Amino acid sequence: DAKTTQPTSMDCAEGRAANLPCNHSTISGNEYVYWYRQIHSQGPQYIIHGLKNNETNEMASLIITEDRKSSTLILPHATLRDTAVYYCIVLASGTYKYIFGTGTRLKVLA
Amino acid sequence: SQTIHQWPATLVQPVGSPLSLECTVEGTSNPNLYWYRQAAGRGLQLLFYSVGIGQISSEVPQNLSASRPQDRQFILSSKKLLLSDSGFYLCAWTAGYLRGYTFGSGTRLTVV
Repeated sequence: DAKTTQPTSMDCAEGRAANLPCNHSTISGNEYVYWYRQIHSQGPQYIIHGLKNNETNEMASLIITEDRKSSTLILPHATLRDTAVYYCIVLASGTYKYIFGTGTRLKVLA
Repeated sequence: SQTIHQWPATLVQPVGSPLSLECTVEGTSNPNLYWYRQAAGRGLQLLFYSVGIGQISSEVPQNLSASRPQDRQFILSSKKLLLSDSGFYLCAWTAGYLRGYTFGSGTRLTVV
């Protein structure tokens, strides 16, 4: 599986958009990009995933660059409850196991 | 709908004692099942995964073992706990790689 690189931590003002970057420069054609988040003392929660097109759901938007070497998770209007560790993972089709990195610790400030 | 149950929520065990953590999934059949561990302030470490009854893949050599005696039951065990086994243990399941993981609520284990 391709390795991902994320900033260790980020701050975001409440009500503003939070843009969390992820670098996956060695991603291959059959690998999907997944995002999860982990709120303190809970299990990780699935947010969104994509292959090459941008994706949007009720939680977030995922923007994948044309060369697929990086992506950005966007929380359009961050709230205090969005404070969590966000993990970016790439996973090949047919693979069963996720390898989590250290993620980005997002702190939403009032 | 599918649900995942994991217990106990917290556990304090002495060094050298045995361990058994259980995870069950409801509302689906033939799930892929996973055990992860998270040490304090660290990321998630994949310990074991299973794609079927009796099929266990180990990712990290340690004094832990896993078993899947039934389709929707996944058990994490140890014969003798070490201090380094302390951490937050999470069970997860997925119906397929495009479905995403669903995690249980976790067990916080403290070995004293």
